[in-house]
Amino acid sequence: AQSVTQLDSQVPVFEEAPVELRCNYSSSVSVYLFWYVQYPNQGLQLLLKYLSGSTLVESINGFEAEFNKSQTSFHLRKPSVHISDTAEYFCAVSEWNTDKLIFGTGTRLQVFP
Amino acid sequence: GAGVSQSPSNKVTEKGKDVELRCDPISGHTALYWYRQSLGQGLEFLIYFQGNSAPDKSGLPSDRFSAERTGGSVSTLTIQRTQQEDSAVYLCASSLGGTWDTQYFGPGTRLTVL
Repeated sequence: AQSVTQLDSQVPVFEEAPVELRCNYSSSVSVYLFWYVQYPNQGLQLLLKYLSGSTLVESINGFEAEFNKSQTSFHLRKPSVHISDTAEYFCAVSEWNTDKLIFGTGTRLQVFP
Repeated sequence: GAGVSQSPSNKVTEKGKDVELRCDPISGHTALYWYRQSLGQGLEFLIYFQGNSAPDKSGLPSDRFSAERTGGSVSTLTIQRTQQEDSAVYLCASSLGGTWDTQYFGPGTRLTVL
C-alpha cells in the first residue's frame, strides 16, 4: 500500500538560506507525486507536481522537486527562501491505478529574518 | 471564479450529537474528496466521489461517518453520535478528473466536540 513519510515536522531557516524538505514514499507501482502548501490562515494549494517526463519539476515561486525512483523520494528544494515562504508543506502520492491521494504529515517551514 | 466553499467554518457540538458538514465544489469538477486534518497529523483521506460512480468510502474511520453527493455537485459529510476524537478540521477538495489532476481545497470546517 502507498504511504508517504515526511521526516521533518519543522524546519527553521534564516531568510536567503537554502532549504530542503524531505519526502519519501512507498509504492510498488507507478506514482504521481505532489507538493501542496498551506500558508498561514489560508487553504491548501498545489505547489508543484510530477506526473511523467522530466524528473525535475518547478514552481512559479522558485521551488523545485526531483523525482528519484531508485530512492523513492520527491524532496522539495529552494536555493534562497523568503519570509513569505513560511508555511506548512505537504507531500502527497497517488498510485496510477487508484483514486486516492495519500498525504504526509507535513513539514512546517519557518523562515526567520 | 468561485472556489470550493464549505460551511459552516466552525462547528462546536456536544458529544453524542450529529453534525452535517457541507461542501460546494467548483462548478464542472466531477471529482470530490473529503479529508480530515487533525493536530500533528497529515491529511487523512475519508471519501472520494467521481461523477456518478459509487464513492470510494474506504477511508471512513467508522460507520458513524457517511457522505453523499447530490446531483453530482454539493456534498454533505455526516458524523453521527460525535466523539471527542472526531474533533479536527474537515477539508473538501474538488478536481476536474482523477487523482493526477490538481485538487482545489476549500477553507475547511473546524469541528470541536466537547
